[in-house]
Amino acid sequence: EDKVVQSPLSLVVHEGDTVTLNCSYEVTNFRSLLWYKQEKKAPTFLFMLTSSGIEKKSGRLSSILDKKELFSILNITATQTGDSAVYLCAVEASSSNYKLTFGKGTLLTVNP
Amino acid sequence: DAGVIQSPRHEVTEMGQEVTLRCKPISGHDYLFWYRQTMMRGLELLIYFNNNVPIDDSGMPEDRFSAKMPNASFSTLKIQPSEPRDSAVYFCASSQTGGLGRKLFFGSGTQLSVL
Repeated sequence: EDKVVQSPLSLVVHEGDTVTLNCSYEVTNFRSLLWYKQEKKAPTFLFMLTSSGIEKKSGRLSSILDKKELFSILNITATQTGDSAVYLCAVEASSSNYKLTFGKGTLLTVNP
Repeated sequence: DAGVIQSPRHEVTEMGQEVTLRCKPISGHDYLFWYRQTMMRGLELLIYFNNNVPIDDSGMPEDRFSAKMPNASFSTLKIQPSEPRDSAVYFCASSQTGGLGRKLFFGSGTQLSVL
């Protein structure tokens, strides 16, 4: 069974801090890893990673994948209160019929 | 495009009643997914369709749950009879074939409370 584990489960920081969120996975026939941000309701797409070592960047957010060690990290620099959300990691594997398996998420709270 | 549209946004019902959740995927997307989210179990895939055909329903908890996709622009998830343990947020998501990776677009969800 495919497994995705995120850590930490929750994190409280002050505005301006830098945070690193972790996602490790165990799947057969990996295809891609995706990061989503969930604020009030629907998860919204952040990044999709398919190759090791290539950093994806969007403003203050960046993410990288290590397919050898089976993990990904999501970095947020100079955090703002608007970054407060649950960050979800999901993995797609061809062995699971191309379904996405989600981790439980990391709840990030950024205090002013 | 308006994105994935779900209705209703909130549903409160009594145990034993039938519940029907509705979803309109993004036009042109050929995959549709139904997820359930709870604090304990996170996001769980219930069923997904490709070109209106159910591909994998292994996540459907039991026979009380059924899903249909009569055409490319509409899908329903039905629970009959509903039970309090079905209380959760139900998300519909759609995606498009092509390239590596399954980039899902989610609807706003239906918050279901079964009393």
